Amino acid sequence: QSALTQPPSVSAAPGQKVTISCSGSSSNIGTYWVSWYQQFPGTAPKLLMVENNKRPSGIRDRFSGSKSGTSATLGITGLQTGDEADYYCGAWDSRLGAVVFGGGTKLTVL
Amino acid sequence: EVQLAESGGGLVQPGGSLRLSCAASGFTFSIYAMSWVRQAPGKGLEWVSGISASGDWTHYADSVKGRFTISRDNSNNTVYLQINSLRADDTGAYYCAKGLGSGNYNELDYWGQGTLVTGSS
Repeated sequence: QSALTQPPSVSAAPGQKVTISCSGSSSNIGTYWVSWYQQFPGTAPKLLMVENNKRPSGIRDRFSGSKSGTSATLGITGLQTGDEADYYCGAWDSRLGAVVFGGGTKLTVL
Repeated sequence: EVQLAESGGGLVQPGGSLRLSCAASGFTFSIYAMSWVRQAPGKGLEWVSGISASGDWTHYADSVKGRFTISRDNSNNTVYLQINSLRADDTGAYYCAKGLGSGNYNELDYWGQGTLVTGSS
């Protein structure tokens, strides 16, 4: 049972937009920044979003992030088959004194 | 170019020990926090431990507290994870990752390729 809750899977057609939710609590998302990661099978995760909505250098503006209360959302526009991957949210949790990740969301581009 | 290279993984009997190493290059190692993150086969990411840039502060997931110890050698640009009392559910790929700041464990901007730890008899 992850401290952060994500949908196991989402899907959309090429060119469309998809959002991935991440729900937490006051001890994590409600207080601290959320980061997002993209992971392709057999490879290391890649940082997609920091401080809730800031893209690291090299991340395209098709990716966006937002946070409201104890929930965060990753948005991806102009979907491409190359976006098919697992996506994870993460945040510091003051109650646990540890970083917590969501269970991950598998994106399928139909 | 930032590079992180893990080593030390392998097959270990339950109850055994091993030490993972992560050699860093391409950045000023001593001013960034480092973390270890693991991933069981077919499962999601689990943050294991983090250490501040100076090494003064360490944090652990509850699942490894008392069994794992993180440390770093800033003169040799290396971070370590000592694993004791290994359990079968410790099995997985172990990644070391660089934090964005001196005490940042959550925003991990560079990752190694991982080293596989298997707890089995």
